Amino acid sequence: DVKVTQSSRYLVKRTGEKVFLECVQDMDHENMFWYRQDPGLGLRLIYFSYDVKMKEKGDIPEGYSVSREKKERFSLILESASTNQTSMYLCASTTAPTGRNTIYFGEGSWLTVV
Amino acid sequence: AQSVTQPDIHITVSEGASLELRCNYSYGATPYLFWYVQSPGQGLQLLLKYFSGDTLVQGIKGFEAEFKRSQSSFNLRKPSVHWSDAAEYFCAVGEAGGGNKLTFGTGTQLKVEL
Repeated sequence: DVKVTQSSRYLVKRTGEKVFLECVQDMDHENMFWYRQDPGLGLRLIYFSYDVKMKEKGDIPEGYSVSREKKERFSLILESASTNQTSMYLCASTTAPTGRNTIYFGEGSWLTVV
Repeated sequence: AQSVTQPDIHITVSEGASLELRCNYSYGATPYLFWYVQSPGQGLQLLLKYFSGDTLVQGIKGFEAEFKRSQSSFNLRKPSVHWSDAAEYFCAVGEAGGGNKLTFGTGTQLKVEL
């Protein structure tokens, strides 16, 4: 079975802190994604990566950056956390092209910024 | 740009009753369509997907969905709901032709009354 692992399930951070959310997949998938999930808004794409060191902005990239140094690992970075970034963050991966392939999700990281 | 509308935010059904969750999409060509389910505190799991061919698609856990081009709809159905089906359901549309973007609806929360 495909496994997408988000190492931190629950985090509480202070405003202004730098936050790293880590995601690892074990299926050699080319494409990896970071989504943000908020009640009533569904899932919104923050960034995705289609190869090592390659990335593209999603719908809501402001305030976030990403890093993909190895194929299996995709990190989401909040350079200076703010309270409006309190949310559930979901990592996902799939084989290319995304359009017709199943996307596999991690269990999510709940981030609270105080 | 592609978009997905799930008009029902919450739905409550009795155990054993039939279920239909609505999904309407906007996309210029034949879309790739998906239904995902999210149990509380978990990531998303694929229920079923449609790319082409037979417009009635069977999925896991007894779910099915029907693609209706004329109505731009991809409604999810189950003939008899079980208490364990209580979860949030997301419809999504993917880019045909090899694109990398998957756009999600805002979700429908299903409650099952015993």
